[in-house]
Amino acid sequence: DSGVTQTPKHLITATGQRVTLRCSPRSGDLSVYWYQQSLDQGLQFLIQYYNGEERAKGNILERFSAQQFPDLHSELNLSSLELGDSALYFCASSPNIILNTEAFFGQGTRLTVV
Amino acid sequence: SQKIEQNSEALNIQEGKTATLTCNYTNYSPAYLQWYRQDPGRGPVFLLLIRENEKEKRKERLKVTFDTTLKQSLFHITASQPADSATYLCACDNYGQNFVFGPGTRLSVLP
Repeated sequence: DSGVTQTPKHLITATGQRVTLRCSPRSGDLSVYWYQQSLDQGLQFLIQYYNGEERAKGNILERFSAQQFPDLHSELNLSSLELGDSALYFCASSPNIILNTEAFFGQGTRLTVV
Repeated sequence: SQKIEQNSEALNIQEGKTATLTCNYTNYSPAYLQWYRQDPGRGPVFLLLIRENEKEKRKERLKVTFDTTLKQSLFHITASQPADSATYLCACDNYGQNFVFGPGTRLSVLP
């Protein structure tokens, strides 16, 4: 158990809908990262937050947004969903923004868009 | 453009042999490089981190090397076991911003 909790584990929704994925980082970790993993793309970095502030942005679509709350949990919002958004979405956390430490990954949310 | 490549999509080896996985990067200058293990449907699990000024790092049966001239990292599993079968991912730090992952190599250790 990594200590990172993601909910829900599975989500099935229709095209055009909006969903929210939730991540609780390890106790004390200030950085949260979101990654998307689809079969043909590997792990793609979406966005990083540190202590409530956006720190780095990757290939995140405009239809997607995220935030980190004062209690450090994070939410990833996906809207106007398309079939191609079906993927595993992982959240990871680390103690700080210095990259000399490991990241701890949650078990992921499997999103299926039908 | 920036790219991380891992030697092959899949690698089959016999139990007891040494598995060697390769990670090559282009247009990155990582200060750190990490290796993770991922089992199907599960999140990646950290294995080892190596810094740019370290040539080699070991942990039990695992060994990682980092050659900044060749822009390459090698990951070795000695005395491999069927339980080592998984996908192995390398990750480079992206100019201190975040980690970018390679596509992974699926290792199968045959009994």
